Amino acid sequence: QKEVEQNSGPLSVPEGAIASLNCTYSDRGSQSFFWYRQYSGKSPELIMFIYSNGDKEDGRFTAQLNKASQYVSLLIRDSQPSDSATYLCAVSLHQGAQKLVFGQGTRLTINP
Amino acid sequence: DAGVIQSPRHEVTEMGQEVTLRCKPISGHDYLFWYRQTMMRGLELLIYFNNNVPIDDSGMPEDRFSAKMPNASFSTLKIQPSEPRDSAVYFCASSFGSGGLVEQFFGPGTRLTVL
Repeated sequence: QKEVEQNSGPLSVPEGAIASLNCTYSDRGSQSFFWYRQYSGKSPELIMFIYSNGDKEDGRFTAQLNKASQYVSLLIRDSQPSDSATYLCAVSLHQGAQKLVFGQGTRLTINP
Repeated sequence: DAGVIQSPRHEVTEMGQEVTLRCKPISGHDYLFWYRQTMMRGLELLIYFNNNVPIDDSGMPEDRFSAKMPNASFSTLKIQPSEPRDSAVYFCASSFGSGGLVEQFFGPGTRLTVL
């Protein structure tokens, strides 16, 4: 079993709709969770992080964490074509720990 | 700041040759990471340093790979001898560990092709 799992996609969403990206992790002791966005041919960039159960909102992005189910998700509201990218889920074992384990990424396409 | 700088951006070499990838982290950052990304395996951590000291090299695939950080502003990843299966994009990233938030800033990557 991979430590961090994501559906590879591609996930296709119409412009203006909500895109939902999901991630599960195997280590129950994991404390910190991150979403990175990677455009084709570019490097990953951090867009959201979450440490506590529940929802965290930042503009059009909402991260959701359920530690009991070992599940973290990213919702993108009012999806734009510029949101088309691969989204990488990353997990660290301890809050503040530097070592991250990345999922394979989900490729998202927003259709105009 | 210019961000994390990597060189070369592209490298094409033949099997058996030595390859050296270079990285300059963001000034003031105390952590440096080397990752490898392939379609099959995704983004994998190879090794990371804290204050120039290697902390975890458990991701280094084999003895052909070595990494050094002689000072706070420079690191190298060396592959000797290179093999076609080493073809991948290699990213260097840096972070400020004392800041609480684990935000790693990635360089543009080096695309390595081993023929």
